[in-house]
Amino acid sequence: GENVEQHPSTLSVQEGDSAVIKCTYSDSASNYFPWYKQELGKRPQLIIDIRSNVGEKKDQRIAVTLNKTAKHFSLHITETQPEDSAVYFCAARAGGGNKLTFGTGTQLKVEL
Amino acid sequence: SAVISQKPSRDICQRGTSLTIQCQVDSQVTMMFWYRQQPGQSLTLIATANQGSEATYESGFVIDKFPISRPNLTFSTLTVSNMSPEDSSIYLCSVEGSSGGAADTQYFGPGTRLTVL
Repeated sequence: GENVEQHPSTLSVQEGDSAVIKCTYSDSASNYFPWYKQELGKRPQLIIDIRSNVGEKKDQRIAVTLNKTAKHFSLHITETQPEDSAVYFCAARAGGGNKLTFGTGTQLKVEL
Repeated sequence: SAVISQKPSRDICQRGTSLTIQCQVDSQVTMMFWYRQQPGQSLTLIATANQGSEATYESGFVIDKFPISRPNLTFSTLTVSNMSPEDSSIYLCSVEGSSGGAADTQYFGPGTRLTVL
């Protein structure tokens, strides 16, 4: 089955700096890669996703890149703000299925 | 995206008892899923709730322990049976295929925080 690895497990940045979180996946048939943000005590919320037919997608300060050859994808947050502090999860879905396999999560802390 | 609610939001239960968690969606959805999130951990899929048929369970989860119902396209229940302290966790339902969203996008309910004493 699919295996998703996520790094780093914790990330601390200064406000205004950029943050990058990286994930690798094992199943070359995976074709959908969402990112979720989970604040303490809240539900995971979808912040951006990318499908295997594109290499990059951007939404304001958030972008995701996908390298199908290397089987890795990354979340980029620019101009970080304190409200970006949360746990971020990447996930991957194998082609033909509905199951999402999640990474282990990254605790992002944006310091003033 | 769909509005998803779960009941109860939290509960404290005695070992050996069972708890049924409800997930209600405000619109018809194609797929419904149940996840477990242990404290400080990632999300683990328990099963896919299939409308009108038996749920599809992931490795390590069995129907006798986590019976699931899905009587229609907007509602599902997960029961945690014969509970032990190891079942203390957050249980989340998620849905896919709701109106207003991409067909393969999953949205999560608010979760049920279960503590077993």
